[in-house]
Amino acid sequence: GAGVSQSPSNKVTEKGKDVELRCDPISGHTALYWYRQSLGQGLEFLIYFQGNSAPDKSGLPSDRFSAERTGGSVSTLTIQRTQQEDSAVYLCASSTDGATNEKLFFGSGTQLSVL
Amino acid sequence: AQSVSQHNHHVILSEAASLELGCNYSYGGTVNLFWYVQYPGQHLQLLLKYFSGDPLVKGIKGFEAEFIKSKFSFNLRKPSVQWSDTAEYFCAVNGGGSYIPTFGRGTSLIVHP
Repeated sequence: GAGVSQSPSNKVTEKGKDVELRCDPISGHTALYWYRQSLGQGLEFLIYFQGNSAPDKSGLPSDRFSAERTGGSVSTLTIQRTQQEDSAVYLCASSTDGATNEKLFFGSGTQLSVL
Repeated sequence: AQSVSQHNHHVILSEAASLELGCNYSYGGTVNLFWYVQYPGQHLQLLLKYFSGDPLVKGIKGFEAEFIKSKFSFNLRKPSVQWSDTAEYFCAVNGGGSYIPTFGRGTSLIVHP
């Protein structure tokens, strides 16, 4: 596709369940970012992948959160034992090579609701 | 650590009014600055960016922003807004060679026809 694709678009889960969110970046983009947007809040950085380098996980809020990127393309964000405070829109973005002045291309996000 | 502050969280204007959205950042070194926009039902997209050169940057749909280094500001302006400018606007900054943009809280703009 032409843009960043995220799935599912909506996810409702029960507290304590695990969830997986998927991001398919623009083909050829080596940099991939995950952000979280809670109601009334800005975008909170979670994790950054660049090529084959070790990811920058400095934004992950707890060890219940993890992410991987297979083959330098698709990425999966996993949240284990979900809590109500995990409810948010999870946004994925990619850029050509992660240069500091590069613009990010965002997906439409996954709206996660934890009941 | 870099941070971004957007002073106006909600702005309501009538069509043809002038717009200025404030953005201040905390990082003291070299910065790259961005404004992103999210129209209702759409994904975030770049409105304009500054990384060097002329501090007055022009973007899409008649928007512009001015980088004032002494004030650590990058305010977004448009002389005459339209109903179609109704959206959420986010300021972002990369500083010190960081590859990870820090975003502000966002400003919700509603333009009445």
